[in-house]
Amino acid sequence: AQKVTQAQTEISVVEKEDVTLDCVYETRDTTYYLFWYKQPPSGELVFLIRRNSFDEQNEISGRYSWNFQKSTSSFNFTITASQVVDSAVYFCALIPEETSGSRLTFGEGTQLTVNP
Amino acid sequence: DTGVSQNPRHKITKRGQNVTFRCDPISEHNRLYWYRQTLGQGPEFLTYFQNEAQLEKSRLLSDRFSAERPKGSFSTLEIQRTEQGDSAMYLCASSLGLEKLFFGSGTQLSVL
Repeated sequence: AQKVTQAQTEISVVEKEDVTLDCVYETRDTTYYLFWYKQPPSGELVFLIRRNSFDEQNEISGRYSWNFQKSTSSFNFTITASQVVDSAVYFCALIPEETSGSRLTFGEGTQLTVNP
Repeated sequence: DTGVSQNPRHKITKRGQNVTFRCDPISEHNRLYWYRQTLGQGPEFLTYFQNEAQLEKSRLLSDRFSAERPKGSFSTLEIQRTEQGDSAMYLCASSLGLEKLFFGSGTQLSVL
């Protein structure tokens, strides 16, 4: 069974601050995929990133960056120079490789509030 | 790419009634998933289809729940004899293989 833990329930920052959202996962599978999704107040889950367990390179996309560390089973997400529009609930999720199952397991989410 | 479409957006029903939700996935996607999300929680997996075959069901999916995906296109999720505990957001997602899952906006169910 898989488990994803997002220990930070709520984070509040002031605009332009950097913020890191933590994600720790558990799985017995050797091959798996990790995801981050954003859920704004409208409710639709918006895909942000997908990372293969064999690819530990950090990734940067604009103001977003992700730090994947297999040794600590963590996949943290950093927003640089946060903006009010970043306010949302952010979910980390894991899905095992094809042969081990198909369900995407989500963490409980981190509510990020960016204040002007 | 028109996205994943779910109908209705909101459904209010009385306890004991049956409800049915519909999901239209992205046309070329072979995988379709149903999730349930309650307030303050992450989405929980309910069931998964690959084409028309229902390959996996969660223990959350009691015998009052049934899902279909005829001809591997749209899917329906039916809840019979609804209970207040069924109140939640029901999310549908589709994907091509294990590429990113695209989610719909969900159907918010309220059971009175």
